[in-house]
Amino acid sequence: QKEVEQNSGPLSVPEGAIASLNCTYSDRGSQSFFWYRQYSGKSPELIMFIYSNGDKEDGRFTAQLNKASQYVSLLIRDSQPSDSATYLCAVAPGYSTLTFGKGTMLLVSP
Amino acid sequence: DGGITQSPKYLFRKEGQNVTLSCEQNLNHDAMYWYRQDPGQGLRLIYYSQIVNDFQKGDIAEGYSVSREKKESFPLTVTSAQKNPTAFYLCASSLGPILNTGELFFGEGSRLTVL
Repeated sequence: QKEVEQNSGPLSVPEGAIASLNCTYSDRGSQSFFWYRQYSGKSPELIMFIYSNGDKEDGRFTAQLNKASQYVSLLIRDSQPSDSATYLCAVAPGYSTLTFGKGTMLLVSP
Repeated sequence: DGGITQSPKYLFRKEGQNVTLSCEQNLNHDAMYWYRQDPGQGLRLIYYSQIVNDFQKGDIAEGYSVSREKKESFPLTVTSAQKNPTAFYLCASSLGPILNTGELFFGEGSRLTVL
């Protein structure tokens, strides 16, 4: 069973701080990695994807990938209360589907 | 507007009844998916379809059935064989294979409650 592990949280950070969300995966052959954000009662939406080792930045978001350690992270700089949501890590172990982690709840306090 | 439409948004069912959840997309996407989400859980794949008239089981297909007779439509039937069907069901689509495009577009979900 291919697994994607995340700390369920909640992760609480004050407004303006950096939030760090982490994810590990079991399938060493996985090639693409995604972060989805899901607000309570809503459907997930893609915020970042990364294919290569290293960092990828998009505005306040940075995705980090370390394939040797089978580790993916998402950094959110200058966190805002509107960032409060559950963040789902997803991995493509093959060609056709995504495997999701259980998600980490992020709470940003004003 | 292009998107994915799921219906109904809320559904109540008595034990032993089959129920069908509708999913329609006008994005001209080839691939469609059904996921189930339970409280505090991630998304688990039920079925997916890469092309019309073809579909594959996901990780938790038992007690579910699907069809893909049209590119735009991918209905999910929750049968009486599904032991614990109360959940939030999400339909999604992608332009092509996940490895290439990476993005799933989700509908707003259908919340099924078994009484």
